[in-house]
Amino acid sequence: QQQVKQSPQSLIVQKGGISIINCAYENTAFDYFPWYQQFPGKGPALLIAIRPDVSEKKEGRFTISFNKSAKQFSLHIMDSQPGDSATYFCAATLSNTGNQFYFGTGTSLTVIP
Amino acid sequence: GAVVSQHPSRVICKSGTSVKIECRSLDFQATTMFWYRQFPKQSLMLMATSNEGSKATYEQGVEKDKFLINHASLTLSTLTVTSAHPEDSSFYICSARDGAGALNEQFFGPGTRLTVL
Repeated sequence: QQQVKQSPQSLIVQKGGISIINCAYENTAFDYFPWYQQFPGKGPALLIAIRPDVSEKKEGRFTISFNKSAKQFSLHIMDSQPGDSATYFCAATLSNTGNQFYFGTGTSLTVIP
Repeated sequence: GAVVSQHPSRVICKSGTSVKIECRSLDFQATTMFWYRQFPKQSLMLMATSNEGSKATYEQGVEKDKFLINHASLTLSTLTVTSAHPEDSSFYICSARDGAGALNEQFFGPGTRLTVL
């Protein structure tokens, strides 16, 4: 069973637009939800993360919105830039137990000039 | 910030040989390290979880005799692909969990591209 579902699979956005990627999770015990950015041939890099005690977290142009009741969280990239073109993965985990991260299937974002 | 290195970044080997990939946490102690495999345009597939000083826990379907994992210290884990075959060609990524960090974040290495001829 896919613990974390991610959509869309790919996304094309004009420069300056807003990119939105959505994830839904199954396990209500998950308490840490990070987003990773991966460029071709590189390892994933932590972009931003949220815990379920807040509904939104913003860091620069990146915002996570979290809906605990719906078991959904999303990444918003404001003022998208061509340099943001990458693959984005959401994940979920139980942070204090050393458990594995459950990753979404990834979203390939292309920002066109 | 927390840095995880992997060596080598790329390796090409002949079928039947063994390849060792190192994963190091450079500025923190990693109580747990994870090894992933990633195929082109796909998500990360967890292969195994290793805790320092104990045997690795392998995910279902991963051959533990083929993918040997050693986590001998709090800063080093190794993955050895034994008797590699072309189907083992993939992008292997390790990650390390900072057990002392409040958030228990997971930091990824840059990956190792393995090509088996």
